[in-house]
Amino acid sequence: GENVEQHPSTLSVQEGDSAVIKCTYSDSASNYFPWYKQELGKGPQLIIDIRSNVGEKKDQRIAVTLNKTAKHFSLHITETQPEDSAVYFCAASPSGNTPLVFGKGTRLSVIA
Amino acid sequence: NAGVTQTPKFQVLKTGQSMTLQCAQDMNHEYMSWYRQDPGMGLRLIHYSVGAGITDQGEVPNGYNVSRSTTEDFPLRLLSAAPSQTSVYFCASSYERVTEAFFGQGTRLTVV
Repeated sequence: GENVEQHPSTLSVQEGDSAVIKCTYSDSASNYFPWYKQELGKGPQLIIDIRSNVGEKKDQRIAVTLNKTAKHFSLHITETQPEDSAVYFCAASPSGNTPLVFGKGTRLSVIA
Repeated sequence: NAGVTQTPKFQVLKTGQSMTLQCAQDMNHEYMSWYRQDPGMGLRLIHYSVGAGITDQGEVPNGYNVSRSTTEDFPLRLLSAAPSQTSVYFCASSYERVTEAFFGQGTRLTVV
């Protein structure tokens, strides 16, 4: 089955700096790659997603890149702010009916 | 629009007790899933459903049962609670398998 690896597990950046979180996946048939943000005490919430026919997608300070050949995708957050502090999960949709498979998460801390 | 509603938010069980975690969505989504979140383990899939009357096992199904008698509801049953089932449980729903998954607020379960 699909296996999603996420790195790093923790990340601290200064306010205003950029943050990058990387994920790899194993199922070459996976075609949908969302990123979720989880704030303390809440459920994960979608922040951006990308499909396999697209190499890059941006939404204001957030961008995601996908390299299908290498089977890896990354989340880029620019001009980080304290409210970006949260746990971020990458995910991939494997072949068949199975729902999303998630990485183990990255705890991002933005230091003011 | 309530989205995905989970009840209860918190629960303490004694070893061997049974209980049902409730999940309801009002978005007419076909796909529903249950995940458990443990420190350092990310979100692991317990059971999922691709529509009313259809359920299947995920990565960690042992000790849990589900049913899907209606599109709206997807309860998760713990048959005989064990300390290893202490976790935060999230229900999620999506219109299709490769579209945005909406998560509930979670149920924090402690088994003593």
